[in-house]
Amino acid sequence: GAVVSQHPSWVICKSGTSVKIECRSLDFQATTMFWYRQFPKQSLMLMATSNEGSKATYEQGVEKDKFLINHASLTLSTLTVTSAHPEDSSFYICSAQRLGGVLNQPQHFGDGTRLSIL
Amino acid sequence: AQTVTQSQPEMSVQEAETVTLSCTYDTSESDYYLFWYKQPPSRQMILVIRQEAYKQQNATENRFSVNFQKAAKSFSLKISDSQLGDAAMYFCAYQMGGNEKLTFGTGTRLTIIP
Repeated sequence: GAVVSQHPSWVICKSGTSVKIECRSLDFQATTMFWYRQFPKQSLMLMATSNEGSKATYEQGVEKDKFLINHASLTLSTLTVTSAHPEDSSFYICSAQRLGGVLNQPQHFGDGTRLSIL
Repeated sequence: AQTVTQSQPEMSVQEAETVTLSCTYDTSESDYYLFWYKQPPSRQMILVIRQEAYKQQNATENRFSVNFQKAAKSFSLKISDSQLGDAAMYFCAYQMGGNEKLTFGTGTRLTIIP
């Protein structure tokens, strides 16, 4: 079945550095990918919608200059947390939906990235 | 804006028994999709079951079934013959249309009592 790969699964870095997280659809094309953030014991909150070949759409309250999204191909979207600070520590998870074919295909999620900023 | 409400932060059930998790949502759309996702401690998001709003028949997947009440905007999940592996966070989610974002409820933590 469809698989979404997310890398890295866990990253620890110093405050002020930038961190890039990759989300790949392995066996299908996805014009749209979604980036969610999940704090401990809370639900998933959509950060932004990543659109292949165009600018991402950010949810209200999400800093676009802080969380850079690039969707350069139909199988890859990246989220870069720029100048990361401890408050950016969280669990980030992406999802993608198969392009074309039968409608209402469910979204497939990556395994998530645990980001810890020291 | 669409909202999803899960009013049960925690539920517990004896192994082999049946449990029902509640979910209500608010939308002005007539066509949409509803989902239940399971998130175990590994934090993987696992699709449990989905329902298309235009279908009157309730979806079922083995031990999992839903009670979809469109007029009441209710979408509950019933787990039959509960197993230890069912222990997880369960999230109800709404999607307006294909390739649209998911809106999640706050989740219900399900504990299975041996």
